[in-house]
Amino acid sequence: AQTVTQSQPEMSVQEAETVTLSCTYDTSESDYYLFWYKQPPSRQMILVIRQEAYKQQNATENRFSVNFQKAAKSFSLKISDSQLGDAAMYFCAFQGGGTASKLTFGTGTRLQVTL
Amino acid sequence: GAGVSQTPSNKVTEKGKYVELRCDPISGHTALYWYRQSLGQGPEFLIYFQGTGAADDSGLPNDRFFAVRPEGSVSTLKIQRTERGDSAVYLCASSLSVRGNTEAFFGQGTRLTVV
Repeated sequence: AQTVTQSQPEMSVQEAETVTLSCTYDTSESDYYLFWYKQPPSRQMILVIRQEAYKQQNATENRFSVNFQKAAKSFSLKISDSQLGDAAMYFCAFQGGGTASKLTFGTGTRLQVTL
Repeated sequence: GAGVSQTPSNKVTEKGKYVELRCDPISGHTALYWYRQSLGQGPEFLIYFQGTGAADDSGLPNDRFFAVRPEGSVSTLKIQRTERGDSAVYLCASSLSVRGNTEAFFGQGTRLTVV
């Protein structure tokens, strides 16, 4: 079974600064996908960024980028130029590459953005 | 519709009662998932459907929980003899397929409170 660990229950960043959220996972699979989701108070999970395990290049989406270290099973999220709207819960998630398509989530990191 | 719709948004029920939670996925999405998110936790997988059939129901906690998707579109999660421990946010998601290279879109969830 896969496990996803987020060791930072809360993080704080000043507006316009950069913050990194940590995530580690454990799996015996070689083909899988990793995700970061944002959950604002509205409860809706919003996909921030996705990484395919077979790709060595780290994924980027505008101000969001990841540091994917496959051997270390580490998948951190970097948010640059933080904005007030980035404040939310952030969840790291794992999905196997086969037909078992369920997402396995970490416990989340609450990000606060201060002026 | 434009997104995944879940009704009701909030539901308060008495211990021992029966409840139904509805999910209306994005039109054309064949895969549908149910997750449960307890307070302070990440979402936990319950069940997913590929079309009308439950492809994986390994996350259902016990036989009080049941889900259907009779026409391959709308799904209903049914909980019998509710217990206080069932209180959580129930999230539904849909995607074009069950592969990890397709994005899962989430609804805003139903917050179930059992009193």
